[in-house]
Amino acid sequence: DIQMTQSPSSLSASVGDRVTITCQASQDISNYLNWYQQKPGKAPKLLIYDASNLETGVPSRFSGSGSGTDFTFTISSLQPEDIATYYCQQYDNLPALTFGGGTKVEIK
Amino acid sequence: QVQLVQSGAEVKKPGASVKVSCKASGYTFTSYGISWVRQAPGQGLEWMGWISAYNGNTNYAQKLQGRVTMTTDTSTSTAYMELRSLRSDDTAVYYCARDRGAVAGTIDYWGQGTLVTVSS
Repeated sequence: DIQMTQSPSSLSASVGDRVTITCQASQDISNYLNWYQQKPGKAPKLLIYDASNLETGVPSRFSGSGSGTDFTFTISSLQPEDIATYYCQQYDNLPALTFGGGTKVEIK
Repeated sequence: QVQLVQSGAEVKKPGASVKVSCKASGYTFTSYGISWVRQAPGQGLEWMGWISAYNGNTNYAQKLQGRVTMTTDTSTSTAYMELRSLRSDDTAVYYCARDRGAVAGTIDYWGQGTLVTVSS
């Protein structure tokens, strides 16, 4: 199976800060990479699909980039409602989907 | 609007089986697949498998092969996930989710989750 390594595992930032999370795949996955947000006690929510496409209704402060093995997720200006854990997920190695370990984002 | 409504929490003894249901509404059920994802307490997300609501084809995570069965009932737009020979490390919140992929891929809507507790 393809391993997805996310970093950092947690971070603390101030409101308005730019936040960046990275996800590295153990092998080339082209752009078959999604990003999800999960708030405490809630189901995950799709934010970015195919590495860089913003899901309908998701605020434009969220963005994604990358291809191959290295991917980046960015919040351009952190808001209080963005407190959550973020996961990357690959779907190149079908039929097995794999998620990264998650990044917990907190407000400083 | 798209909704996936799951059955309620379950408490099971080791060795037992559990069957979780997931009723879909707000879209054409047979046009998408359903993935099942679980999350142990305080842990990350683990994909369990996928079923096509169109033809019933399935793909299961290798570690669960032989213990999990996913089915659908197109007459009621409901998906089911049965897990057998339960162990304590199967304790988790189980999510069903609509999957856009032809063989699994991008999960765009999620159920509310079903807590399954395995304890003697």
